Amino acid sequence: DTGVSQNPRHKITKRGQNVTFRCDPISEHNRLYWYRQTLGQGPEFLTYFQNEAQLEKSRLLSDRFSAERPKGSFSTLEIQRTEQGDSAMYLCASSEGTAGQPQHFGDGTRLSIL
Amino acid sequence: TQLLEQSPQFLSIQEGENLTVYCNSSSVFSSLQWYRQEPGEGPVLLVTVVTGGEVKKLKRLTFQFGDARKDSSLHITAAQPGDTGLYLCAGDGNSNYQLIWGAGTKLIIKP
Repeated sequence: DTGVSQNPRHKITKRGQNVTFRCDPISEHNRLYWYRQTLGQGPEFLTYFQNEAQLEKSRLLSDRFSAERPKGSFSTLEIQRTEQGDSAMYLCASSEGTAGQPQHFGDGTRLSIL
Repeated sequence: TQLLEQSPQFLSIQEGENLTVYCNSSSVFSSLQWYRQEPGEGPVLLVTVVTGGEVKKLKRLTFQFGDARKDSSLHITAAQPGDTGLYLCAGDGNSNYQLIWGAGTKLIIKP
């Protein structure tokens, strides 16, 4: 059983650099979500794809953040000109295509900004 | 705006004790999910409750959905160190895609 896979698991970079994370969802899932999570808190919604279409973006997602899912399979999340406040765990989840379906999470990418 | 409040935020107890954590809202949810998250990993689904008043058991864990589908509880009997983790509830609300997440209860079970 292949679950949701995220790469890299850890990323350390200097402030001002660009970073890109990848998420490979469960293959039959057409919904894909990105979340940000800080220590001891619940996930904060960032954006959501139904197949290749990005249907919603949170106000948390500034113009430095961009996400793509070009063929409706894997997705990338890019952060440009990283800031200290971007340090967090970035989680990807996928689910089946109907509302309220359980979300299956990857183990996240931990981003640390020096 | 739909919100889910979890309590307590933090709980540290000895192995063998019982505990209950709560997930409350003023809004109605069509379903509610409980997840457990361990450090360095993503949340893992434990259970989904759908019907008001529903009770589901998963070994020593008992989940209940309130009659009005506005709240839920998780009761752990004879807690074990392996139960340590962040317990998150998430509700399926008015949006057709987005779950509403609580902030979590951090649970530590001491041997």
